[in-house]
Amino acid sequence: GAVVSQHPSWVICKSGTSVKIECRSLDFQATTMFWYRQFPKQSLMLMATSNEGSKATYEQGVEKDKFLINHASLTLSTLTVTSAHPEDSSFYICSARDFGAVRANYGYTFGSGTRLTVV
Amino acid sequence: QKEVEQNSGPLSVPEGAIASLNCTYSDRGSQSFFWYRQYSGKSPELIMSIYSNGDKEDGRFTAQLNKASQYVSLLIRDSQPSDSATYLCAGSGAGSYQLTFGKGTKLSVIP
Repeated sequence: GAVVSQHPSWVICKSGTSVKIECRSLDFQATTMFWYRQFPKQSLMLMATSNEGSKATYEQGVEKDKFLINHASLTLSTLTVTSAHPEDSSFYICSARDFGAVRANYGYTFGSGTRLTVV
Repeated sequence: QKEVEQNSGPLSVPEGAIASLNCTYSDRGSQSFFWYRQYSGKSPELIMSIYSNGDKEDGRFTAQLNKASQYVSLLIRDSQPSDSATYLCAGSGAGSYQLTFGKGTKLSVIP
C-alpha cells in the first residue's frame, strides 16, 4: 500500500529558530500533499494543500510566511516553521493520496507525524 | 461551511461487544467517506472508506453510509482492547481532494 514517510518524528527547538519537516511518498507519486496540525485532544486541522510545482494553498488563518511549504518533486513536500514560538508547539502531520491505487479501499495515507516543541 | 460531527465520547464497551461509532455531515455534495483510527500520540491510520449507500464490510469492521440522512457509521464487531483509540470520521466533496475531519470519538474497550 501507499506509504508516506515523515521526518523528524520529534524536534525541540528554541524560540525564534526555524524547523523543517519533510514528507515523502515512498512508493507512489503525490502531486498533492496536505499538511495538518493537531493540538492535544483536538482533531486534525488542515493547514495547507501542497501542490507539486506550484504554490501551496493555505487555509484561512494560516500564515503563509510563517509556514513555508515547498513541493519541489512528485515525492517530496517540506514544511518549514519559521521563527517558531511556543504556541507553534503541536503535532504536525502530512498526508498524501495515491490516485493510482485500486479504488476498493483507497484513502489518504498519513505520515507518522512530527511533534514540535518550541522552548 | 462543511462540517463533520461526531460524538466525542468516550464510548466504553466490554471486550467482545459491538462498538458503534456515528458521524453526520453537513455537505450534501460529499461523496467519499473515511474512517481513521488514531492511537494516542500517533498519526491516523485508514480503516475503511465508503462511497456508496449501504454497508461495506472488512473483517470485524462494517461501514455504513446513508446519503439521504447524511449519516456514516462504523461498527466494530468482537471489540478488542487493542481497538481502544480515537476514531476519526472524514469526508471529501465532489471534485475536492481535501478531507474534512470530525473531532473524533474516543473508544475504550474494557477487558
